[in-house]
This record gives sequence, structure tokens and C-alpha cells, in this order.
Amino acid sequence: GAGVSQSPSNKVTEKGKDVELRCDPISGHTALYWYRQSLGQGLEFLIYFQGNSAPDKSGLPSDRFSAERTGGSVSTLTIQRTQQEDSAVYLCASSGRQGTQPQHFGDGTRLSIL
Amino acid sequence: EDQVTQSPEALRLQEGESSSLNCSYTVSGLRGLFWYRQDPGKGPEFLFTLYSAGEEKEKERLKATLTKKESFLHITAPKPEDSATYLCAGGGSQGNLIFGKGTKLSVKP
Repeated sequence: GAGVSQSPSNKVTEKGKDVELRCDPISGHTALYWYRQSLGQGLEFLIYFQGNSAPDKSGLPSDRFSAERTGGSVSTLTIQRTQQEDSAVYLCASSGRQGTQPQHFGDGTRLSIL
Repeated sequence: EDQVTQSPEALRLQEGESSSLNCSYTVSGLRGLFWYRQDPGKGPEFLFTLYSAGEEKEKERLKATLTKKESFLHITAPKPEDSATYLCAGGGSQGNLIFGKGTKLSVKP
């Protein structure tokens, strides 16, 4: 498809396990963003990539969170030793260029930590 | 600190009853003011970008306007299919979006 694709759409895991979330951006988009949406909260910025580099990691909530992007395309967000407060919807967006161009979102991964 | 505040949190309208949603922002080095629509279980869908005070954009029954401190999303003669959560976001200096918590709009037939 032409849009941003995220997988899995749903993930249920036990506290303490590691999880990997995947994002496939719109073809040709150089900028990629990760956000987290918790119940009753606004979208919270986590990290962005321009190409394969991540100039701004300030939004990652703890050192259990990491992200990478390879080949200027697919990105993975990894959460190690998951905690119950990590339960949220993780959304990925891409845009043609970092900055003023609109970001286009995938439908997210709904993560539930038991 | 960069901040975006939306009001009201929820809005219930009758079909055909026009209204406005408010977005107040304080974003250093604002790089655009963005409006999105979000349906349950879906990601935000892009609606508009506004870049300078006085700018207006329209799409079907929606019109977005921008001042130096606020943006408004005007909904004219809404239909039930306009029911959704509308999100406002300021473009930050790092390229990220700073989102408000949204306005949940319900339009009853």
C-alpha cells in the first residue's frame, strides 16, 4: 500500500519481556517519527530519524527504549524489560522532509503489558 | 515550555449545527500548525497545515484559521460522519509535532 505500515497491530506481552515494533514508511519519505499515545493523553514524541540518523533522542522515556532505522527505510522501536506503564499505542509517521511538511501516520501498534 | 491546549475536550452537536474548535499554542520557533482527524483504532489523518497568521484553509465542511496565538477549526453544517477526535499540533524546532489532547466531536442525526 501507499501509506505508513506498522506491525504488529496488537501486541500482548508479560512484564519484563522485550518487544520490537516495526514501521515501514511511505516510499521516498526521508523523515520518520515515533510517538506514543496513552489513554487520555495526547501524542507524546519519542524520536525522529532523518535518513538513518537520529539527531533527537530526547523524547525517549528511559534507556529501556531504543530505535534504529536501516537503509533509510524501515525502523524498529525496541522496548527492553517492559513495564506496565509502557502500555500504550505506539504510532509511527513519515514525511518527505523533516520540518514543515505534514507527517503521515500509520495505524499504530497497541501494546499491552500484563 | 512548548505547549498546545485544545478546547473543549468534547463537543456534541446536532447534524447541521455549526461550531468551532479551539487550539491555543505556545511553541518556540513554530514550524507550522497542523490539524488532524483521528477515528477510533486508527492513526491521525492529516487535514491542514497553516504557516502564518491570517492564513485560512478549507476542505468540505471544515475551515481552519490561524492567529499568532490560536487556531480554530470551524465546522459548518456537520454530518454524523464528521464524528471523530480532532487533534491540533504545533511543529517544533526539532521537526517533531507537539500535540494537544484533542477534541472529541460527536454529531447526532
